[in-house]
Amino acid sequence: DAGVTQSPTHLIKTRGQHVTLRCSPISGHKSVSWYQQVLGQGPQFIFQYYEKEERGRGNFPDRFSARQFPNYSSELNVNALLLGDSALYLCASSVAGGDTQYFGPGTRLTVL
Amino acid sequence: GQQLNQSPQSMFIQEGEDVSMNCTSSSIFNTWLWYKQEPGEGPVLLIALYKAGELTSNGRLTAQFGITRKDSFLNISASIPSDVGIYFCAGANFGNEKLTFGTGTRLTIIP
Repeated sequence: DAGVTQSPTHLIKTRGQHVTLRCSPISGHKSVSWYQQVLGQGPQFIFQYYEKEERGRGNFPDRFSARQFPNYSSELNVNALLLGDSALYLCASSVAGGDTQYFGPGTRLTVL
Repeated sequence: GQQLNQSPQSMFIQEGEDVSMNCTSSSIFNTWLWYKQEPGEGPVLLIALYKAGELTSNGRLTAQFGITRKDSFLNISASIPSDVGIYFCAGANFGNEKLTFGTGTRLTIIP
């Protein structure tokens, strides 16, 4: 079975631009979570969605938003990019949200 | 954001040695997880612990859920080259959707 997939793999943007990252969960999983991992640190929670509803939000500014689609895939949007947004963005899926999360390979975002 | 404290920060060991690392938190969790991450990849789940005092093994890996629910330990026996990577602990609570990750332990095997 396919694991969590994310696209694109790498992305380079300039300050002030907008970016959309995409995630497809494991088949049968209805919950998707997004994490930001800055180099040298552990992942930090951004959002969780379950059945298209936001169930949790981490301590990130309103420039970060996300949504989940009827097929349970998800998008993470970041507006007005800052240099500090450069990171590996990880998507994790789980069956129902309160259980074990499985991670995708991530999208490496570089903001110049 | 909050990160759990992991120690040691890095380890340099020889192949065949045993490895021990731990993770501590100022708050209680009712689930502890251990992940391994290799360069350019997402974290891969190694072991999940759901009960205080629980000891769980996965091959050469053994993890324990601390009695106080504020810590967890991971041991790797007879290390091999493919054990190289960064090991992260993560805490979670039922009904709370987020995982809180540790600062990571980088494992390097000296030839």
